Amino acid sequence: DAGVIQSPRHEVTEMGQEVTLRCKPISGHDYLFWYRQTMMRGLELLIYFNNNVPIDDSGMPEDRFSAKMPNASFSTLKIQPSEPRDSAVYFCASSLAILARRFNEQFFGPGTRLTVL
Amino acid sequence: AQRVTQPEKLLSVFKGAPVELKCNYSYSGSPELFWYVQYSRQRLQLLLRHISRESIKGFTADLNKGETSFHLKKPFAQEEDSAMYYCALASYGKLTFGQGTILTVHP
Repeated sequence: DAGVIQSPRHEVTEMGQEVTLRCKPISGHDYLFWYRQTMMRGLELLIYFNNNVPIDDSGMPEDRFSAKMPNASFSTLKIQPSEPRDSAVYFCASSLAILARRFNEQFFGPGTRLTVL
Repeated sequence: AQRVTQPEKLLSVFKGAPVELKCNYSYSGSPELFWYVQYSRQRLQLLLRHISRESIKGFTADLNKGETSFHLKKPFAQEEDSAMYYCALASYGKLTFGQGTILTVHP
């Protein structure tokens, strides 16, 4: 298994443009998470899905951000319109279902480095 | 609300010296805590979890509920330990991460 796959690895765009980040979780994983990493704020959870259903989107910064998971093997994070302050590394992670109240390990993708000029 | 605090953004030690990366948490329930590590040009990955009570790559972390801490320790640091370390708290199906500590081990 190649692990969690993210594309693109790097994205440079201009302010006001739409940006779409993509993620393919590990096959069989029930949970998918989107994170944003910045030097100032560290690693922040944006949204997560369980069985393709969004469970908690309280970390999504504003309406410019949206995420979808149309099926178990694909998710997108969209920013429209993008702003320079959105520049960060965006990570996708997946994990198996929580069993016996034990939190399962999250497996992270390589991240997408987004630069908004 | 849960919170994880890593007070040191940067930590530098020399090879062979002991190292301790601090982590404090705030959580009303029974905590489940983790350390994740991100080496240069590699993915963020799980280092250890408190329920396993294991030592990974010489690192250990003990949960201290009285002090609400989960500090990561290693008696003799190695250059290959240089990386970004995140402490994380699991609750309500998700992880809350600290801001991370960049550890640099000098030769």
